Amino acid sequence: NAGVTQTPKFRILKIGQSMTLQCAQDMNHNYMYWYRQDPGMGLKLIYYSVGAGITDKGEVPNGYNVSRSTTEYFPLRLELAAPSQTSVYFCASVPGGGQPNQPQHFGDGTRLSIL
Amino acid sequence: DAKTTQPNSMESNEEEPVHLPCNHSTISGTDYIHWYRQLPSQGPEYVIHGLTSNVNNRMASLAIAEDRKSSTLILHRATLRDAAVYYCILRDVSGGGSNYKLTFGKGTLLTVNP
Repeated sequence: NAGVTQTPKFRILKIGQSMTLQCAQDMNHNYMYWYRQDPGMGLKLIYYSVGAGITDKGEVPNGYNVSRSTTEYFPLRLELAAPSQTSVYFCASVPGGGQPNQPQHFGDGTRLSIL
Repeated sequence: DAKTTQPNSMESNEEEPVHLPCNHSTISGTDYIHWYRQLPSQGPEYVIHGLTSNVNNRMASLAIAEDRKSSTLILHRATLRDAAVYYCILRDVSGGGSNYKLTFGKGTLLTVNP
């Protein structure tokens, strides 16, 4: 199993450009999450999804959009990149729908710089 | 989510035990204590969780105080590969799906000396 796969691993954007961060999981997990991590800080939740077609805002959703058309994929969209969005982005998944203490499985992150 | 307090950093020597403390004085009865760690340039990984009783797994042990206001993650023999940021997280499981969310603090940066 590949687990949670994030692409690209690194990206440099110019202010105002847009891009989509890709996240895929092959574990048939229902719940998926996007976090961002600024230097020296813990992770902050951007958006999450409890199943295909269902998404909801987390702690820091401004400037981002998500979609979840299938169980496997949960892309994160930046429409107008701003320097404040320079960060490391992590995608995670959980089986969901049952035992509440299932561990989250994380990808290795996308390092995004906006100049 | 209830708040946790951890030291910013700790040091250990290789092959010695490490005790990583976490204070959570406002913990509620439905809060589970979870620990994750983040190796350099990687995403977090699950370590262990518990509610009231001490827990052991292949990675670590979790000791929970009787009043549940604090807990300690124990690495029995630290290796260089254990150098990471360790996060102590409380998870309220009394609700529905949204309670699978994790709220991360800054964690404890563990340095392991050879």
